[in-house]
Amino acid sequence: DIQMTQSPSSVSASVGDRVTITCQASQRISSWLAWYRQKPGKAPKLLIYAASTLESGVPSRFSGSGSGTDFTLTISSLQPEDFATYYCQQANSFPLTFGGGTKVEMK
Amino acid sequence: EVQLLESGGGSVQPGGSLRLSCAASGFTFSNYAMSWVRQGPGKGLEWVSVVSGGGDRTYYGDSLKGRFTISRDNSKNTLYLQMNSLRPEDTAVYYCAKGRIAVEPAAIDYWGQGTQVTVSS
Repeated sequence: DIQMTQSPSSVSASVGDRVTITCQASQRISSWLAWYRQKPGKAPKLLIYAASTLESGVPSRFSGSGSGTDFTLTISSLQPEDFATYYCQQANSFPLTFGGGTKVEMK
Repeated sequence: EVQLLESGGGSVQPGGSLRLSCAASGFTFSNYAMSWVRQGPGKGLEWVSVVSGGGDRTYYGDSLKGRFTISRDNSKNTLYLQMNSLRPEDTAVYYCAKGRIAVEPAAIDYWGQGTQVTVSS
């Protein structure tokens, strides 16, 4: 199975800050990586797929990069609705696996 | 508009069974693989299982050890998860989820609201 390791596990930030989250796969997954945002008590929401493609309707402050084993999600200017937990997920092979999550908290 | 509506969750004793359902609408159901993803209390996301659009291929997470069975009825636009020999560690919110593209594996572009499963004596 492919293990996904996210870092940091939590980050404290303020509105307007630039936030970067990383995700590392235990083996090469090309660009088969997705990022999700999950607000408390809600289902996850797809932000980015294929490592860097923005899902329709997702604000342009979100961007993704990387390929192979190392990936990054960047929020260029944090908004109030972005205080949430973020997950990466590999879509290269079954079983699908998620990273452990990164909680973005208010500083 | 894509909608995924789960049902069938509830409380059950260890060793018991539950069958979850997910009614889908707003897209051509048979064209897409469908997954179940769960989230234990205070925990991260755990992928459970997927079934191909035609229902002929299934895959499961390693932790399930043959206790869960995923299936679908394309005539009813409904996804199922039969859960047997339930354990306390199966306690979670279970989400029905749609693959983004018509081949699997794939990212998940739509999620249901989730249904709570609690396994406790």
